[in-house]
Amino acid sequence: EVQLVESGGGLVKPGGSLRLSCAASGFTFSSYTMTWVRQAPGKGLEWVSSISSSSNYIYYVDSLEGRFTISRDNAKNSLFLQLNSLRAEDTAVYYCARVSAGVFDIWGQGTLVTVSS
Amino acid sequence: NFMLTQPHSVSESPGKTITISCTRSSGDIAGNPIQWYQQRPGSVPTIVIYEDNQRPSEVPDRFSGSIDRSSNSASLIISGLKTEDEADYYCQSSDRFNHWVFGGGTKLTVL
Repeated sequence: EVQLVESGGGLVKPGGSLRLSCAASGFTFSSYTMTWVRQAPGKGLEWVSSISSSSNYIYYVDSLEGRFTISRDNAKNSLFLQLNSLRAEDTAVYYCARVSAGVFDIWGQGTLVTVSS
Repeated sequence: NFMLTQPHSVSESPGKTITISCTRSSGDIAGNPIQWYQQRPGSVPTIVIYEDNQRPSEVPDRFSGSIDRSSNSASLIISGLKTEDEADYYCQSSDRFNHWVFGGGTKLTVL
């Protein structure tokens, strides 16, 4: 079964850090671009970052101001998102998704990040 | 960068047809493919239309997509509305810098 499972979310104080993980199974992880999308409570979807299959190409939404870092470990079928200098407005469910021909075709269930003092 | 603007909500009765628009603020709507995602309450998004008008095999043919260069917009059309179609719908596209953009989402209510 093709599956993505996120972990690492939780409650963190403003200015803090978290590392999100996404474990992939059921497909050849190293062949796909992967991406992170977030959704604030009651709000819409926001693309956050993408990384190509070999990590050669990395992209971020402009608004992050360099606070987040995407990475992957193809040997461990894992995708990561390092979140630094967190702000209240970063509170959201963070989804990882597989990108196939420009389509976000497989999504994980998401992990909730709450930034609050 | 550009924005994709959708109506906040649309409502219609079962059996009817609705159209959800998605207007690109700058750049050619035909320049990059448009995708449409459905997100039912409490669920993760799923693709319903890709590459402007292509439908995954598992999506009913009641769903269709189109683009209109004259209005620089895309449309998701759902015919024969069913209560199960009640969801949020998001359009998505990319720019020449490989950044993806989602529309703000449209809440479909099937009365």
